[in-house]
Amino acid sequence: DTAVSQTPKYLVTQMGNDKSIKCEQNLGHDTMYWYKQDSKKFLKIMFSYNNKELIINETVPNRFSPKSPDKAHLNLHINSLELGDSAVYFCASSQEYSNNEKLFFGSGTQLSVL
Amino acid sequence: GEDVEQSLFLSVREGDSSVINCTYTDSSSTYLYWYKQEPGAGLQLLTYIFSNMDMKQDQRLTVLLNKKDKHLSLRIADTQTGDSAIYFCAEYGYNKLIFGAGTRLAVHP
Repeated sequence: DTAVSQTPKYLVTQMGNDKSIKCEQNLGHDTMYWYKQDSKKFLKIMFSYNNKELIINETVPNRFSPKSPDKAHLNLHINSLELGDSAVYFCASSQEYSNNEKLFFGSGTQLSVL
Repeated sequence: GEDVEQSLFLSVREGDSSVINCTYTDSSSTYLYWYKQEPGAGLQLLTYIFSNMDMKQDQRLTVLLNKKDKHLSLRIADTQTGDSAIYFCAEYGYNKLIFGAGTRLAVHP
């Protein structure tokens, strides 16, 4: 019954590897997001998709590639992982893309790059 | 610039009121939000306020907005141990939701 679910919850990997994080929402929302939370808890948006179309792409290295096969899913693929990619990655969704959107967050994926 | 600022830490005694403050930068923000993050979990929306309001009350929560000073505060009355969490202020500005760094609230007996 989880509204926004992301897997895996923990991901430990070596530098240089490629990894993916999956996200699914069962709320019927049109818009999905990826946020990165660093060790100081600072939360910054990375990407936003509305109805499978990319609408926000912050200054994120092109090693990060989001993919939205349908509006209920937004996956994040990361190539050539670096130490600085270690963080908690949160997926979120909202009803639509507007200036009053309440975001529903997943429980996060803690990525540790060794 | 895109800055939402909050103090990083607040410690209160159980039963007291907590006040968490935030300043934001985009004066055109129409909505401002408070989110709560418990350990190991994602953020949950607590409450929000429309920019033409000065105050919003929701049970133990009171949000005050001073638009002139771009200052937002969250007051939690009768703070309980279950309120211990990180509280994030957020503004909808520059066409996206911008979060502060979060205020860690510690409630002690």
